[in-house]
Amino acid sequence: DAGVTQSPTHLIKTRGQQVTLRCSPKSGHDTVSWYQQALGQGPQFIFQYYEEEERQRGNFPDRFSGHQFPNYSSELNVNALLLGDSALYLCASSSTTSGSPGTDTQYFGPGTRLTVL
Amino acid sequence: AQSVSQHNHHVILSEAASLELGCNYSYGGTVNLFWYVQYPGQHLQLLLKYFSGDPLVKGIKGFEAEFIKSKFSFNLRKPSVQWSDTAEYFCAVRETNAGKSTFGDGTTLTVKP
Repeated sequence: DAGVTQSPTHLIKTRGQQVTLRCSPKSGHDTVSWYQQALGQGPQFIFQYYEEEERQRGNFPDRFSGHQFPNYSSELNVNALLLGDSALYLCASSSTTSGSPGTDTQYFGPGTRLTVL
Repeated sequence: AQSVSQHNHHVILSEAASLELGCNYSYGGTVNLFWYVQYPGQHLQLLLKYFSGDPLVKGIKGFEAEFIKSKFSFNLRKPSVQWSDTAEYFCAVRETNAGKSTFGDGTTLTVKP
């Protein structure tokens, strides 16, 4: 049973560029959440997708956007990259219980390390 | 807004010592609580979780945590650590029936052989 997978593993971009990160959830999971983990800090919630819609969002600017596909996989897009966007981007998947999206345990992928120069 | 505080940034122990890592959160409603571990070079893995019921929860690898609602705490314990427990430990809290988890900044545990 494959866990959460993310691609690419590492990415180097320059300021002002745009980036797309990809995530495939664990089998049987329908909800995907994205987190940003800066060096020395805990993961910070960016947003969550369920039924191809953004259901909840953290304190991140509109430069951060996402998408969920019918097969539950997801993309995170970041426009107009800033140096401060350099971080590990984590995808977490979960299933839905009691009608509330993503209320079961989240399982994390290995992350994509983004470096902005 | 929720916040999670992990008081110990770096803990160094010798093998067989007992471990307790502190975690306090601020949120007045019903919460789910988690401890995750990140071993060197690996991704975040769930150690244990509390959703409801017995406030003393047991996880993998001999870890346990106790939810004390009156103190807004969810401390992680292990009676005897091993060198292989060297890792970073994260406490997280989530409002019940919400998707967002709020994490602490982590505690780095180094166990000396």
